[in-house]
Amino acid sequence: GQNIDQPTEMTATEGAIVQINCTYQTSGFNGLFWYQQHAGEAPTFLSYNVLDGLEEKGRFSSFLSRSKGYSYLLLKELQMKDSASYLCAVRALRGTGANNLFFGTGTRLTVIP
Amino acid sequence: GAVVSQHPSRVICKSGTSVKIECRSLDFQATTMFWYRQFPKQSLMLMATSNEGSKATYEQGVEKDKFLINHASLTLSTLTVTSAHPEDSSFYICSASAPGAIQETQYFGPGTRLLVL
Repeated sequence: GQNIDQPTEMTATEGAIVQINCTYQTSGFNGLFWYQQHAGEAPTFLSYNVLDGLEEKGRFSSFLSRSKGYSYLLLKELQMKDSASYLCAVRALRGTGANNLFFGTGTRLTVIP
Repeated sequence: GAVVSQHPSRVICKSGTSVKIECRSLDFQATTMFWYRQFPKQSLMLMATSNEGSKATYEQGVEKDKFLINHASLTLSTLTVTSAHPEDSSFYICSASAPGAIQETQYFGPGTRLLVL
């Protein structure tokens, strides 16, 4: 089975940096994704890691350590519009040959002035 | 690119009726489409994986006779909730996997909010 953990809620100040952690236990690991989801909307793709290390994309960076089953999403220069839920999703290759995404419960980030 | 649409965005129906939700990939052909369900303040739960021209693969605990999936073409998949009950009220989201996209990233539709009275 898949076990994905991330904090439920976080609060940070506009202009600051925030790190959202995700730990996972899975078989058939085949990549880790971060998605942003605003309330009542569908998730939008932010980043993808399959090898260890840091992937940087503008104000967002994502890190992966496969040996530790650990990832984080780093958001810099926070803006009010960054208030949303951030979903950590692990892709796993299953016995059927299918690649499926398994989501954590999401971290609800509130950015305050 | 990689836009996925869903229709309807919101539906209210009476208990016992059936509801059909459409998922379309607008600017690419999707080899695989996925259907998820999300209850308030909970994570997305995969319901089924749908490949064009073949039967859908359902996750454990998801009734295939209740949630009918048809993937008739590379750009369209439909989910029909048959004999809906209030406990089926949820946010249903589809996603599509684009060949050649970044490591088969899934792109999500805007979701359909279903309320069964």
